[in-house]
Amino acid sequence: QKEVEQNSGPLSVPEGAIASLNCTYSDRGSQSFFWYRQYSGKSPELIMFIYSNGDKEDGRFTAQLNKASQYVSLLIRDSQPSDSATYLCAVNNQAGTALIFGKGTTLSVSS
Amino acid sequence: SAVISQKPSRDICQRGTSLTIQCQVDSQVTMMFWYRQQPGQSLTLIATANQGSEATYESGFVIDKFPISRPNLTFSTLTVSNMSPEDSSIYLCSVDPGQGHTQYFGPGTRLTVL
Repeated sequence: QKEVEQNSGPLSVPEGAIASLNCTYSDRGSQSFFWYRQYSGKSPELIMFIYSNGDKEDGRFTAQLNKASQYVSLLIRDSQPSDSATYLCAVNNQAGTALIFGKGTTLSVSS
Repeated sequence: SAVISQKPSRDICQRGTSLTIQCQVDSQVTMMFWYRQQPGQSLTLIATANQGSEATYESGFVIDKFPISRPNLTFSTLTVSNMSPEDSSIYLCSVDPGQGHTQYFGPGTRLTVL
């Protein structure tokens, strides 16, 4: 059974700081990794996906993948109060189709 | 991405009844998924629904409790049968438009069972 682990938080950072969100996964065969953002009362919104070791940048967001350590992270630069949400890490299942989600990390950005 | 709608957006139901949730996508997609998000929890996959075949259920979920239909490439339904208060949850459908296994979620259906 695949597992995805995240620190539930809350993670509190001041506006303008870098927020670092971490995720570990149990299945060494996992190939695809995703970060979703979920505002309270809303459905998850895809932020980034990453398949290869290393960094992937998209605006203020950087996803980092280390398959040897089975570790995925999301960095949010210049954090804004609007970034306050729960961030869900997900990996693909054995069939490579559906997703296994972590429990999410709640981020709070104070102005 | 894809535009996904769900009906109803929320409902309050009595114990022992059933509710059918509809999911509509604005484009044809091969794979559709149904998830449950219980209060304060993350998402748990219920089943994968592919057009033209039986849904594939995850461990802990059975067809008698959560029958699924997938009549075409833009539509699916999930029925929550013989409901109990433990079924109170948000039910979400998602689709994979075929862009490298990324998934996009509908707005969800918030179900409360009394």
